[in-house]
Amino acid sequence: NAGVTQTPKFQVLKTGQSMTLQCAQDMNHNSMYWYRQDPGMGLRLIYYSASEGTTDKGEVPNGYNVSRLNKREFSLRLESAAPSQTSVYFCASSEAGPTDQPQHFGDGTRLSIL
Amino acid sequence: AQTVTQSQPEMSVQEAETVTLSCTYDTSESDYYLFWYKQPPSRQMILVIRQEAYKQQNATENRFSVNFQKAAKSFSLKISDSQLGDAAMYFCAYRLIQGAQKLVFGQGTRLTINP
Repeated sequence: NAGVTQTPKFQVLKTGQSMTLQCAQDMNHNSMYWYRQDPGMGLRLIYYSASEGTTDKGEVPNGYNVSRLNKREFSLRLESAAPSQTSVYFCASSEAGPTDQPQHFGDGTRLSIL
Repeated sequence: AQTVTQSQPEMSVQEAETVTLSCTYDTSESDYYLFWYKQPPSRQMILVIRQEAYKQQNATENRFSVNFQKAAKSFSLKISDSQLGDAAMYFCAYRLIQGAQKLVFGQGTRLTINP
C-alpha cells in the first residue's frame, strides 16, 4: 500500500537548472497538493489541483509550475532554480469536497540549489 | 487570510509526564477543521488528531487530546504519559470545510522527551 510516492528523495541542482519533481498516489484521490517546508516554518502551499484537469495557485507559487498529468500524478517543475527554492517539498492527496478525511503526505524531496 | 501561530518553538518533557502544545489561529469563517500533525526525523507527516469546529466536544485519540476553544481561537494538544517515540516536530493546521482542502500550517513545535 504505497500511498503517496515522491521522486526523487534528494536532489542537488545548480542555479538556473530546471527540474521536475514527480508525485503519484494510488488512493484514487481527486485532489493533490504541493507544499514546501523551510526551517522554522510550517508547510506552505505552492499549488494544488482540486480535481483532474484543474490547477490553482497556493500561497507561494512564484518560480514554479505544475501539471496534473492524470488522476494519479501531479508534478512540480522548477524552470530556473534559485537558491531561495532550497527546501523540502511535500506532495499530498485527499478526497475532494467537504469531508473530514485528512490529506495523505509523501515522504518529501529534499532539494538543494547551489 | 487565515493564519496559524505556534508560539513555542521548542518544548521538552520528562518521559511519562504530560505536556501541552499551544496553537492559535485567526479566521473569520465558522466552519473549518483543525489538525495536529507529527513529523518525526523521518520527515513523514503523520496525522495525530483532528477537530471539527462545529463540535463542542474535544477530540481524543488514546494519549492525545485537544482543548478546543472556538471563541478564543485556540487549539492546544495535550500528550499524556509521554513516550520516547513522541519526540518530533508537531504542526497545528487549519482548513475550511468547504472548497479546496488547502491546509494552513503553524510554524511547528519541536518536542523533546527526556528519559
